Amino acid sequence: AQSVSQHNHHVILSEAASLELGCNYSYGGTVNLFWYVQYPGQHLQLLLKYFSGDPLVKGIKGFEAEFIKSKFSFNLRKPSVQWSDTAEYFCAVNGRNDMRFGAGTRLTVKP
Amino acid sequence: EAGVAQSPRYKIIEKRQSVAFWCNPISGHATLYWYQQILGQGPKLLIQFQNNGVVDDSQLPKDRFSAERLKGVDSTLKIQPAKLEDSAVYLCASSLLGSGAGLRNGYTFGSGTRLTVV
Repeated sequence: AQSVSQHNHHVILSEAASLELGCNYSYGGTVNLFWYVQYPGQHLQLLLKYFSGDPLVKGIKGFEAEFIKSKFSFNLRKPSVQWSDTAEYFCAVNGRNDMRFGAGTRLTVKP
Repeated sequence: EAGVAQSPRYKIIEKRQSVAFWCNPISGHATLYWYQQILGQGPKLLIQFQNNGVVDDSQLPKDRFSAERLKGVDSTLKIQPAKLEDSAVYLCASSLLGSGAGLRNGYTFGSGTRLTVV
């Protein structure tokens, strides 16, 4: 069965710092990869996705993620975070027919 | 387009009582999902429908949980009887299809129903 691991439970950064959130998955076949964000009190929103092609994908709000097939990883990055990026971030993997989520990483950005 | 609608937003019940949640997916989305999100954890898939048929309910505790999507549109999730450990946010999501091109826009999630069992 496929599984998703997010390395960091809680990350605290100051504004303008760079961000990288780790995500590794285990699945033997072709996968589609997603990052979702959940702002406080709001529902899950799609941040970016990877289906095929260029392994470096760009999403909304300046986020990007890189798919490294050999490492089974799909890390999320942002060069300079803002206070408004404070949220919970979930990596998700779709294998054959269902979406599995990681446990999430809570990001706190200090002004 | 309208999003995924869920109701109620909040529900507090005593253990051993029953509760039901309702979801209306995005129009035209064939696939509907119910997820359980316990505080501090990622969403866990409970059941997946394709139109009105069940695709995957392997993680649904069938002794107490049930779900239906009779006409391939709205869905209800029921818990009877509830236990303390059922306290969670119950998320409904929909997508065009469950895989491939039907997932190009990922899932669209509703705001969820926060259930507290006391």
